[in-house]
Amino acid sequence: ETGVTQSPTHLIKTRGQQVTLRCSSQSGHNTVSWYQQALGQGPQFIFQYYREEENGRGNFPPRFSGLQFPNYSSELNVNALELDDSALYLCASSLEGLPRGYTFGSGTRLTVV
Amino acid sequence: GESVGLHLPTLSVQEGDNSIINCAYSNSASDYFIWYKQESGKGPQFIIDIRSNMDKRQGQRVTVLLNKTVKHLSLQIAATQPGDSAVYFCAEGMGGGSQGNLIFGKGTKLSVKP
Repeated sequence: ETGVTQSPTHLIKTRGQQVTLRCSSQSGHNTVSWYQQALGQGPQFIFQYYREEENGRGNFPPRFSGLQFPNYSSELNVNALELDDSALYLCASSLEGLPRGYTFGSGTRLTVV
Repeated sequence: GESVGLHLPTLSVQEGDNSIINCAYSNSASDYFIWYKQESGKGPQFIIDIRSNMDKRQGQRVTVLLNKTVKHLSLQIAATQPGDSAVYFCAEGMGGGSQGNLIFGKGTKLSVKP
């Protein structure tokens, strides 16, 4: 059984660019949630995907979007990057969205310059 | 890995001592609470959870206490070890199923001195 894997591990982008982050969920998990963690802060919920549809969203603008694929892997897309988007982006997978069963990946560190 | 513990409250304890990490939560309607441990360069790792209808729950070397009157949660770690050094977050959530998103606290950095 593999855990949650995220790619890339680190990324540097320029303000205004677009970025795609990827997440492979743990075997047997059908739900993926994305979180943004600014330096020195707790993770903040971006959105959740359940059976390929967005199912719950936090206080993030529409330029944050995502996809979930039939194999339950997921992508997070951010358009028109801003300096404040610099953060660690965490993906967590679970079965049926139950947070007690969340398995987090190690994250993608995004730096916007 | 890059530290996630900058500018966080810090608790420094001697190896072998007990540690108590506190957390104030925001939503009195939250159904459950979870403690996570986050080491540098890694994602949060589940430690223990407690449902809102409970006051106390024990795990291996850890105990979580819930005081709903003052919306306070604590994590007690017995016989703290150097491997316990990390940032600890409490998180609260409601319901389950397909919208079980979590609200995380700010975190506390635990530093264990050998």
